[in-house]
Amino acid sequence: GEDVEQSLFLSVREGDSSVINCTYTDSSSTYLYWYKQEPGAGLQLLTYIFSNMDMKQDQRLTVLLNKKDKHLSLRIADTQTGDSAIYFCAEWRAEKLTFGTGTRLTIIP
Amino acid sequence: GAVVSQHPSWVICKSGTSVKIECRSLDFQATTMFWYRQFPKQSLMLMATSNEGSKATYEQGVEKDKFLINHASLTLSTLTVTSAHPEDSSFYICSARTSGGRVKNIQYFGAGTRLSVL
Repeated sequence: GEDVEQSLFLSVREGDSSVINCTYTDSSSTYLYWYKQEPGAGLQLLTYIFSNMDMKQDQRLTVLLNKKDKHLSLRIADTQTGDSAIYFCAEWRAEKLTFGTGTRLTIIP
Repeated sequence: GAVVSQHPSWVICKSGTSVKIECRSLDFQATTMFWYRQFPKQSLMLMATSNEGSKATYEQGVEKDKFLINHASLTLSTLTVTSAHPEDSSFYICSARTSGGRVKNIQYFGAGTRLSVL
């Protein structure tokens, strides 16, 4: 389809791992991104992955890319209250970023 | 990461007035900047792509005479909402894309401007 799809909500207990999933649309997308948006703020780039990579790890963040299934995931280890936000995946397609619907991550104390 | 500064962060104006929003890339040059609009609890909607030294490219359904974009330098793009009306009230976010140097093809975002038209 045309849309980049994400689950709308995710609740995770503090200290557990969060896994946010995304299905993108274009198998030829060269770059895929994860952004974080806190209430009333712009988007903060968390990480990105180039299409020739399967995995990228950066501190508590791990990105997995399955090109065959056009599936991207973001794992946040040891989730903290400060991780509460909306997370957007995005693909670079047709000279612009196409965003997913966003996943609202809620941390349960 | 790189910094994109957006100003003002919040503006209230009367219906019929024009509002200018500035977007600056502070530590890198951006030949391409983007303007988005975000409705409550929704994803970002691309309004236009701003190219330095040339006319902006508007997405389908976005009125170019309503939303004037100027990208006069490699570090500054402006969006002017002309003759604003209450339905233009929204959260506007700008973005700048790196085009050279060590890190390419990364898009950084401003903090957003909340526009309220009375």
